[in-house]
Amino acid sequence: GQQLNQSPQSMFIQEGEDVSMNCTSSSIFNTWLWYKQDPGEGPVLLIALYKAGELTSNGRLTAQFGITRKDSFLNISASIPSDVGIYFCAGPSVGYSTLTFGKGTMLLVSP
Amino acid sequence: EAQVTQNPRYLITVTGKKLTVTCSQNMNHEYMSWYRQDPGLGLRQIYYSMNVEVTDKGDVPEGYKVSRKEKRNFPLILESPSPNQTSLYFCASSSPTEQYFGPGTRLTVT
Repeated sequence: GQQLNQSPQSMFIQEGEDVSMNCTSSSIFNTWLWYKQDPGEGPVLLIALYKAGELTSNGRLTAQFGITRKDSFLNISASIPSDVGIYFCAGPSVGYSTLTFGKGTMLLVSP
Repeated sequence: EAQVTQNPRYLITVTGKKLTVTCSQNMNHEYMSWYRQDPGLGLRQIYYSMNVEVTDKGDVPEGYKVSRKEKRNFPLILESPSPNQTSLYFCASSSPTEQYFGPGTRLTVT
């Protein structure tokens, strides 16, 4: 099946720093999704991207849909301790019947 | 409130003892899915359902069964669990524009 390569695998940063992570695929996706998973919880959708080149923000989070439709980036500005968690990119099939996930980026933020 | 519920949240069982993990959603979504999450492997889809009585295999269906007799429920069945099915399981419910995950079921098979 399709695979998404997500990097970095983990990041350990100081509070207040900006963070950037990315996701690449060998195949084209028409939608890119970014999720965050808090410890002991299910993933929660942060940002959805629907058009190549699209740049979308959600508070301190900004995500971009690459123009080749094979990659996406998520940036977090001015990180805070509650940003700790695992961030996943995902690419859905049409209608969201199947969803392919990256392996996740674990983010740790030191106060 | 939009919600996906799973039960049980935690389960320890023995090899070969049939078990069912229930999943229910209150959003009238047609699509529902099951995923397992393992360290270093991320989330992998087990089965999905596009509507009542319509189910299909995901990436890792071996050892699992599902049924979709009603729109709101999508149980995951392990007929004969084995230790390699020890994992964290998530049910998800989706519309064409959004997807919600349940809180997870941590299963240990000894």
